[in-house]
Amino acid sequence: DAKTTQPTSMDCAEGRAANLPCNHSTISGNEYVYWYRQIHSQGPQYIIHGLKNNETNEMASLIITEDRKSSTLILPHATLRDTAVYYCIVRVRGGADGLTFGKGTHLIIQP
Amino acid sequence: DTAVSQTPKYLVTQMGNDKSIKCEQNLGHDTMYWYKQDSKKFLKIMFSYNNKELIINETVPNRFSPKSPDKAHLNLHINSLELGDSAVYFCASGLAGGPSSDTQYFGPGTRLTVL
Repeated sequence: DAKTTQPTSMDCAEGRAANLPCNHSTISGNEYVYWYRQIHSQGPQYIIHGLKNNETNEMASLIITEDRKSSTLILPHATLRDTAVYYCIVRVRGGADGLTFGKGTHLIIQP
Repeated sequence: DTAVSQTPKYLVTQMGNDKSIKCEQNLGHDTMYWYKQDSKKFLKIMFSYNNKELIINETVPNRFSPKSPDKAHLNLHINSLELGDSAVYFCASGLAGGPSSDTQYFGPGTRLTVL
C-alpha cells in the first residue's frame, strides 16, 4: 500500500468547513483513497473513499487531485463531535487484508 | 442493534494468565479482523479471517490465536500474558471483494491491562 503523509494536528472553528489534506505521491493506478476517523475512546469509523473522481456522502466530501498525488477531506460544517483523529489510507480495493493506519491528523474543533 | 460488539470492554489481569476477548458481528460480513492500539495510539492489524480461513497473520507472537466458531464470531485468545500486551484491542468486520469492500466496521474496543 502507498505511503501517506498528513499533518499531525489541525484546528477548526465550529460551524466552519474543516479541510484535511493528505499526500500520497506514490499512489498506484489501482489504489483507492480511504478516510477513517477515530473519536476518543471509540473504534475507527469509515468516512468515505474514492479512486479519482470527487466523492460526497452524508458525512464528508473527498477531493482528489487530477494527478491523484494528494487529496482533501472536507467536513462542510464542523461540529464539536467531529473532534477526532482522521486517517488517510491508500490501498488496493477488494483485499481481505487489514487496514494500515498511519499517525493521522488530530482535528480539534474549537467552540 | 449493535453491528460489531466486543466483550469484555475492560479486562485487568495478572502476567502469565490466559484470557479471551469475544467479538460478534451481525452485519453478515465474511471477513473479520483484530487490531491492536498501543499506548502511543498506533493502530495495527493483527489478524483477519475470511470464511474461517486465516488470511493474514502479521508479526504477532504465537501466544495470540484467533478462533472463529462461525462467520459471525472471531474471538482472540491470549496465552501467558505479558506487560507489553497491555493495549486496546479492536475487532472489525467487512466484506472482502464486494462493491463496498474495504469499508470496515469496528467494535468499541477492549482495554486490556496486564499487571
